Amino acid sequence: DAKTTQPNSMESNEEEPVHLPCNHSTISGTDYIHWYRQLPSQGPEYVIHGLTSNVNNRMASLAIAEDRKSSTLILHRATLRDAAVYYCILRGGVNYGGSQGNLIFGKGTKLSVKP
Amino acid sequence: GAGVSQSPSNKVTEKGKDVELRCDPISGHTALYWYRQSLGQGLEFLIYFQGNSAPDKSGLPSDRFSAERTGGSVSTLTIQRTQQEDSAVYLCASSLNPTGRSGNTIYFGEGSWLTVV
Repeated sequence: DAKTTQPNSMESNEEEPVHLPCNHSTISGTDYIHWYRQLPSQGPEYVIHGLTSNVNNRMASLAIAEDRKSSTLILHRATLRDAAVYYCILRGGVNYGGSQGNLIFGKGTKLSVKP
Repeated sequence: GAGVSQSPSNKVTEKGKDVELRCDPISGHTALYWYRQSLGQGLEFLIYFQGNSAPDKSGLPSDRFSAERTGGSVSTLTIQRTQQEDSAVYLCASSLNPTGRSGNTIYFGEGSWLTVV
């Protein structure tokens, strides 16, 4: 299985940008890179995803390395509400790991935001 | 409702009893997933349904766990002869058909918190 590696935890100050790294050196050509986050006592929620090009949405930006072996989730201005566990996940394009479309979650990065 | 709905939201049961957890996916979503998350731990995949295909049961931890999905919509996760280690939050999620477009977002419910005493 293609795996992702993330730091266990990170800290940020409120109103400052946050760069959350993810390594996925065994990514295949059909794997999409997904980011989800889980706020305390809630189910995970979608943040952003991409394949090759950098992506922006209202929540965050996703920067994907040219060789696709790593990516970075960028929160442009962290708020206290952004404190959560952030998961970087690979999702196969076709018949990934015998389970089409499944998401395998790692341990994620716990982001703390200080006021 | 507009989102994934799970019931009950909280369940306390005695060791050895059977429990059923229900999931109502978002209307039109053909894919349905069950995960569980023990306190302070990551998400553990349990089972995945996609349309009329045979479900992927590779994550079920033991034969005490089973799940079904009736009519391609509502799903029930059943845990027989519950043990204390089954205590966790059980999360259901759904998405549009993921094949060929793996960018499809997965939407999670709020979870069913199970405590086995």
